[in-house]
Amino acid sequence: DQQVKQNSPSLSVQEGRISILNCDYTNSMFDYFLWYKKYPAEGPTFLISISSIKDKNEDGRFTVFLNKSAKHLSLHIVPSQPGDSAVYFCAASGGATNKLIFGTGTLLAVQP
Amino acid sequence: DTGVSQDPRHKITKRGQNVTFRCDPISEHNRLYWYRQTLGQGPEFLTYFQNEAQLEKSRLLSDRFSAERPKGSFSTLEIQRTEQGDSAMYLCASSTPGRVGSSPLHFGNGTRLTVT
Repeated sequence: DQQVKQNSPSLSVQEGRISILNCDYTNSMFDYFLWYKKYPAEGPTFLISISSIKDKNEDGRFTVFLNKSAKHLSLHIVPSQPGDSAVYFCAASGGATNKLIFGTGTLLAVQP
Repeated sequence: DTGVSQDPRHKITKRGQNVTFRCDPISEHNRLYWYRQTLGQGPEFLTYFQNEAQLEKSRLLSDRFSAERPKGSFSTLEIQRTEQGDSAMYLCASSTPGRVGSSPLHFGNGTRLTVT
């Protein structure tokens, strides 16, 4: 069962515009949500996280929004830059081991 | 912080052979995780160590897979009698104690296994 879903395999955005990446989850026991970025031939790199007790967390150009009632979160990147082109993974965690459950990823392409 | 190091970066092996991968976590991290990623999928959890104790194993980890972290530092993942379905990127991650929001997992660059 896919507990974390990213339904858009790819997204193309113009440089300077906003990129919005979406993620849905099914397990109400998740209490932390994270976004990772992955370049080819590299491991995932942590971007930003949000606790389930918050609805927004911001770090520079990156903002994550959490809607618990809808079991939905999104990552906003403003303004988008060509260097942001990568695969973005949504991940969720619930429990003391901090094990992460990942979505299938969204490939973001930022066009110059 | 030199990052999580994995060796080798690539491994090509014939079906039926045994392979072993090594992971060196960030030095002050006592938690270590192994994940597997196949094409078009996100990383899938395999197993987790806190210090030298293996505290959780996924159902994905068949009897042919074994992981160790003998002194609570580096870890090894061994696959016996490899099958073509084992072809994947094997990722290692480490973290400090604490909840993941303040202690996110740091990943290595992975070992890509190809079974022919």
